[in-house]
Amino acid sequence: GAVVSQHPSWVICKSGTSVKIECRSLDFQATTMFWYRQFPKQSLMLMATSNEGSKATYEQGVEKDKFLINHASLTLSTLTVTSAHPEDSSFYICSANDRGYEQYFGPGTRLTVT
Amino acid sequence: RKEVEQDPGPFNVPEGATVAFNCTYSNSASQSFFWYRQDCRKEPKLLMSVYSSGNEDGRFTAQLNRASQYISLLIRDSKLSDSATYLCVVNQGGKLIFGQGTELSVKP
Repeated sequence: GAVVSQHPSWVICKSGTSVKIECRSLDFQATTMFWYRQFPKQSLMLMATSNEGSKATYEQGVEKDKFLINHASLTLSTLTVTSAHPEDSSFYICSANDRGYEQYFGPGTRLTVT
Repeated sequence: RKEVEQDPGPFNVPEGATVAFNCTYSNSASQSFFWYRQDCRKEPKLLMSVYSSGNEDGRFTAQLNRASQYISLLIRDSKLSDSATYLCVVNQGGKLIFGQGTELSVKP
């Protein structure tokens, strides 16, 4: 099956700093990538949908100025958590769609903000 | 009301047991349906798609009832390795909407 990678797999940062998470499709071109967030014991919540070369579409309640998404190529999307706070600590997962209907998930990034 | 609702469990069952998970969804315009499996601290992995005609993959059987907006997953002869969280997922306009997940623990 298709492979999606994420980097870093985990990160600890201080409150007020920014963190960038990369999502790459390794063996296919991803026209659409999705960013999810999962808090402990909760479901994955879609944060935003990004299409290569255009602005991301954010879900209701997700601050676009806080969670910056860039999808500059067909194999790379980045999520930057700006001015991170402890409540942003979560498991961030990306997925990619290769024009089919299946989404391929990355292994996730565990963010801890101290 | 949540868009996709599942009993969070946990379901604690002995090896060899048959266990059933249920899920309901609120949006009748949902287009496709899936069960995913998620292990602790890992990404979700597609277990199977769900069709109205029902589909089976080895010990796993999934069923969709569009009229009732209800999805089920049956696991027969459960194994220790089946222990995980099972996520009910619906596709709405290309977006995947996840249920909270049902935790399964299979004991020896």
